[in-house]
Parts: sequence; C-alpha cells; structure tokens
Amino acid sequence: AQSVAQPEDQVNVAEGNPLTVKCTYSVSGNPYLFWYVQYPNRGLQFLLKYITGDNLVKGSYGFEAEFNKSQTSFHLKKPSALVSDSALYFCAVRDIFHGGATNKLIFGTGTLLAVQP
Amino acid sequence: DTGVSQDPRHKITKRGQNVTFRCDPISEHNRLYWYRQTLGQGPEFLTYFQNEAQLEKSRLLSDRFSAERPKGSFSTLEIQRTEQGDSAMYLCASSGYEGAMGELFFGEGSRLTVL
Repeated sequence: AQSVAQPEDQVNVAEGNPLTVKCTYSVSGNPYLFWYVQYPNRGLQFLLKYITGDNLVKGSYGFEAEFNKSQTSFHLKKPSALVSDSALYFCAVRDIFHGGATNKLIFGTGTLLAVQP
Repeated sequence: DTGVSQDPRHKITKRGQNVTFRCDPISEHNRLYWYRQTLGQGPEFLTYFQNEAQLEKSRLLSDRFSAERPKGSFSTLEIQRTEQGDSAMYLCASSGYEGAMGELFFGEGSRLTVL
C-alpha cells in the first residue's frame, strides 16, 4: 500500500532562516506527491505537486520541494522563513490500485511549523 | 466567496442520533471528495464523486455512512446512529479535471462532536 511518513511532529525555525519539512514515501510505481498547508481555522490549501519531470518543484508562497528517488523523499523547503509560514503541513501521495492511479490522496500525519520572530 | 462551503461548521450530537453535513463545491468543479480528520492525524479519504456518480468509497465508510450528490452539484454526508468514535472534522473538497492530479480545494470542514 502507498504511504507517506512525516518524521517530525514539529519543526522550529527562526524567521529569515531556511526551513525544511521532511517527507518520505513508499509507493509501487511512479509516485504522485503533494504538499498541502493548513492554517488555523482555514481549509487545507494546495502548495505544490510532483508528477514527473524536474526533481525541484516550485510552488506557492515561495515554497519548493525536492523529489529524491534514491532516498524516497520529497522534502518541503523555503530559503527564508516568515512568521506567517507557521502552520500545519501535510505531505500526500496519490493512491494506486491495480496499477492505476486512483482519486484518493493518502496524507501523512502532518508537521507543525513554528517560525519564531 | 466562491470557495468550497460546508454546513454546519460545528455539530454536537448525542450518541445514536443521525447527522447530515452539506458541501457546496466550487461551481465549475465536477469532482467532489469527502475526507475525515481526527486530532493529530492527516485527512483520511472517505469517498469521491464525479458529477453525480459515487466512483470510489473507502472501507472506512461503514454502512452507517452514506453520501450523495444527487444533481452533481452539492453533496450530503449522513451518519446514522452516531458513535463517539465518529467525532472528527469532516472535510469536503472539490476539483476540476486538473484535480485528477491532486490539486484539491478544501472547505473549512464540519466538526462533529458525539457525546
């Protein structure tokens, strides 16, 4: 079965410093990988996705993610963190059934990003 | 606001009662999804509609749960004979064709508390 793991429950970073939120995946076949963000009292928002192509994917709000097939990772990064980036971040993978992609996303447990001023 | 809207935002009920949640997707979106999220966990897929057809359904969706999208627009999720374990945030999302690649637009959710 497809799965993603987010090994850190919380990441703390100072404003202006680079940030990384980690995600590893386990899939059969080629992965479709995503990052979503959840701000307090707001719905989940799409940040970026990797389907195929360049391993470095750029997304919303200055975020990017690097797909690494050998390490089965898809870490979310940003060169300079803002206090407003503080939120809950979810990695997700599209499920596969009988070799075909489904319409179901499998989410990780989330990582709380806290950016201190 | 032209985003996904869910109603009610909060529902408190007693065990054994039935509850119904409504989701109004973004108007031009033909795909609609229900997820459930409990504290400390990521969203878990419940079901998926393309227009009015329910095409995928999770094993999490027991026979007490039923979802409909009768005219391919809004959707309802009904939980019969609620149990305390049903307490969760119920999330609705929608997408257009491009959403087949995973870009979903989520509502703010309906929080259910079963006493």
